[in-house]
Amino acid sequence: AQKVTQAQTEISVVEKEDVTLDCVYETRDTTYYLFWYKQPPSGELVFLIRRNSFDEQNEISGRYSWNFQKSTSSFNFTITASQVVDSAVYFCALDQGAQKLVFGQGTRLTINP
Amino acid sequence: EAQVTQNPRYLITVTGKKLTVTCSQNMNHEYMSWYRQDPGLGLRQIYYSMNVEVTDKGDVPEGYKVSRKEKRNFPLILESPSPNQTSLYFCASSLSPSGGSLNEQFFGPGTRLTVL
Repeated sequence: AQKVTQAQTEISVVEKEDVTLDCVYETRDTTYYLFWYKQPPSGELVFLIRRNSFDEQNEISGRYSWNFQKSTSSFNFTITASQVVDSAVYFCALDQGAQKLVFGQGTRLTINP
Repeated sequence: EAQVTQNPRYLITVTGKKLTVTCSQNMNHEYMSWYRQDPGLGLRQIYYSMNVEVTDKGDVPEGYKVSRKEKRNFPLILESPSPNQTSLYFCASSLSPSGGSLNEQFFGPGTRLTVL
């Protein structure tokens, strides 16, 4: 069965600290896509990144970076020099094709000034 | 502007009073779906549609109905809402239902429903 686990329910750090959000997934498919979404307090879902299973290169976008490791079925997300505006709930999701995204439980990140 | 819209954004209702949450997309997407978000559970799919007149159940379809009479619209119907359907609901659409570069799902802004 497809499953996404975000073991960290809540994380709280002080501004400017680096923080890593963990995501572990389970799938039997050889082709799949992984996503990260941000949900700020306003409630909408903001797309952050999509990664396909054949591309294991790490990606960096400004202060955001993603580490995809198929060997450990992980797709972790790091925010460098965190800011208060990064406070949100972050979801990792797996596209199992044809039907739906399977979401993790979400990690609530609080950045304190 | 490409977008998915939902209405209403907020709704408080009472048990048993039928309601409909509308969803509309302007991107000519074939694939649409409904999710509900609950604390500690993430988002779970309720129903999905792969095209006009083609719908199927997701993980948590009980108590919900959908229809897809037009490509752009995918309403969610609660015939007899109950308090356990209090949740945050998201509609989503994508160009392609299968894995691929076109399968990014675009989400609506969400509808917060409270059933008393």
